[in-house]
Amino acid sequence: KQEVTQIPAALSVPEGENLVLNCSFTDSAIYNLQWFRQDPGKGLTSLLLIQSSQREQTSGRLNASLDKSSGRSTLYIAASQPGDSATYLCAAASGGSYIPTFGRGTSLIVHP
Amino acid sequence: GAGVSQSPSNKVTEKGKDVELRCDPISGHTALYWYRQSLGQGLEFLIYFQGNSAPDKSGLPSDRFSAERTGGSVSTLTIQRTQQEDSAVYLCASSPSAPGARTDTQYFGPGTRLTVL
Repeated sequence: KQEVTQIPAALSVPEGENLVLNCSFTDSAIYNLQWFRQDPGKGLTSLLLIQSSQREQTSGRLNASLDKSSGRSTLYIAASQPGDSATYLCAAASGGSYIPTFGRGTSLIVHP
Repeated sequence: GAGVSQSPSNKVTEKGKDVELRCDPISGHTALYWYRQSLGQGLEFLIYFQGNSAPDKSGLPSDRFSAERTGGSVSTLTIQRTQQEDSAVYLCASSPSAPGARTDTQYFGPGTRLTVL
């Protein structure tokens, strides 16, 4: 059974810092890995999706990497802004099931 | 275009009552997922519909939970004889294509917050 862990659970940083959020998964036979953002009281918004054949994806100030052999993915946020404050979740879809398993998320606060 | 919509946004009910939660996916999306998010917990998978295939119900926590998807579009999640532990945010997501295709990003609705008194 796939298990997904996110570290740290919470993070508070000053504006302008570069950040790394970590996601680890136990079953390396993943189909894809997604990073989502969730604002308080809202649903999830997809940020980046990395297919199993890819190593990284980039969108604006966000870069996500995938290392299947070590069971890890990282989300890099460059030059953080207060508007980046949210909970970030990763989800891994294992090869045998196309249903993603979600981590519990990292709650990020970027203060001015 | 319109995203995934869910109704109601909030539902307060008494223990033992039945509730129905509705999800309208993005038009043309073949896959539809229901999840439950409890306070301080991750997203718990409930049920998955893909086109005309039989749904994957492996995540439903008990036989009090059921879901249907009519005409490959709108889905309803029904919880019978609600219990206090059913209180959570119920999230629906849809995806544009079958697994195996490259574009399988999930698009989430805003959720329904269910409170069972």
